[in-house]
Amino acid sequence: SQTIHQWPATLVQPVGSPLSLECTVEGTSNPNLYWYRQAAGRGLQLLFYSVGIGQISSEVPQNLSASRPQDRQFILSSKKLLLSDSGFYLCAWSVLGFGQGTYGYTFGSGTRLTVV
Amino acid sequence: DAKTTQPPSMDCAEGRAANLPCNHSTISGNEYVYWYRQIHSQGPQYIIHGLKNNETNEMASLIITEDRKSSTLILPHATLRDTAVYYCIVRVSFPNNYGQNFVFGPGTRLSVLP
Repeated sequence: SQTIHQWPATLVQPVGSPLSLECTVEGTSNPNLYWYRQAAGRGLQLLFYSVGIGQISSEVPQNLSASRPQDRQFILSSKKLLLSDSGFYLCAWSVLGFGQGTYGYTFGSGTRLTVV
Repeated sequence: DAKTTQPPSMDCAEGRAANLPCNHSTISGNEYVYWYRQIHSQGPQYIIHGLKNNETNEMASLIITEDRKSSTLILPHATLRDTAVYYCIVRVSFPNNYGQNFVFGPGTRLSVLP
């Protein structure tokens, strides 16, 4: 069965420090991968999505970047964190033609980032 | 993708049916209606989806009007664990939505009361 791993679950980082969040998917090949962010009390905002290795699309300009070094690995990074980067970060995957709920998304458990 | 409109919040008594409405008056013929829910501090969870026929699974039922301009998610016997934010999304399904993505609006915050 397909699973998605996201870590760490919580993270507290000082302003100006770097960030690296990792997401990996198991049990499937060639997934579409996504990074979402949810600010406190707000909806989900799509940050990046990837349809293949090295292919990254950014939805909003920001202080973050994403990379996909392997088929089932998606990394969210920042060189210098800002206070406004605090939030709940979610990774998700979907697969052409099939997936949980047929063409739906499967989300990871999320990383709660607090920038202090 | 078509936009959706949901009430910001709803209450439901435990054990009763929870009926969550969603308007999607600009939906296109090839767009599906998806429902997800997000329990506090967790990732969104898929519930159900449909195109034009009513659908039922172990979690819920989805009723889509004949003109497809609105739908209702039904949780037949709500429990306290169903307290969550429920998102209604319309989207073209694979393989015709290459590169398109789910857009999560504010959703409906359902509170199931004891």
